[in-house]
Amino acid sequence: QQQVKQSPQSLIVQKGGISIINCAYENTAFDYFPWYQQFPGKGPALLIAIRPDVSEKKEGRFTISFNKSAKQFSLHIMDSQPGDSATYFCAASREEYGNKLVFGAGTILRVKS
Amino acid sequence: KAGVTQTPRYLIKTRGQQVTLSCSPISGHRSVSWYQQTPGQGLQFLFEYFSETQRNKGNFPGRFSGRQFSNSRSEMNVSTLELGDSALYLCASSLAGREAFFGQGTRLTVV
Repeated sequence: QQQVKQSPQSLIVQKGGISIINCAYENTAFDYFPWYQQFPGKGPALLIAIRPDVSEKKEGRFTISFNKSAKQFSLHIMDSQPGDSATYFCAASREEYGNKLVFGAGTILRVKS
Repeated sequence: KAGVTQTPRYLIKTRGQQVTLSCSPISGHRSVSWYQQTPGQGLQFLFEYFSETQRNKGNFPGRFSGRQFSNSRSEMNVSTLELGDSALYLCASSLAGREAFFGQGTRLTVV
């Protein structure tokens, strides 16, 4: 119940295309869903986050879509660029557990120029 | 504003030894969390400290411990190191609202 399942494991997208990464969770007590971007040799960097009272949130080229009934959320990267090539992690947390994040397994994104 | 600082960046230790890792959170942040990242297990939560108190703990053996000081700086200790403890150890700091900001990590290699 504490798991977050992320897919796909890896993704290759052409420059200018849309990258889509999906996550699913079981525990309905989760109430905060962030996405992180990690480059080799670096720590994860917070990209964008959403709470369940919102179905979509957009920041620049990054959009989170949230489907509460399906217990799924996804990251869309519009106009994907080679510089977006990185590993992306979804995560979830619940208020009673403080700042503990449960992470998905990660998606390795490669954007081909 | 300085980010989360972790020291050292790299460590090589021998099985059976112990190690201490350090984390300085973003100024003003009172919550510090620690994570272990490995290729096989991904990112796993170790523990969180808030105002010098452990607020949450992950599913790791007692060899993994931590503490937080009054200035919010945190240390993580691993005793009796095993080969499987080789990992990237990440520290994250939070102010409020659960936004967590990660440091660059400490790469620990156990030989």
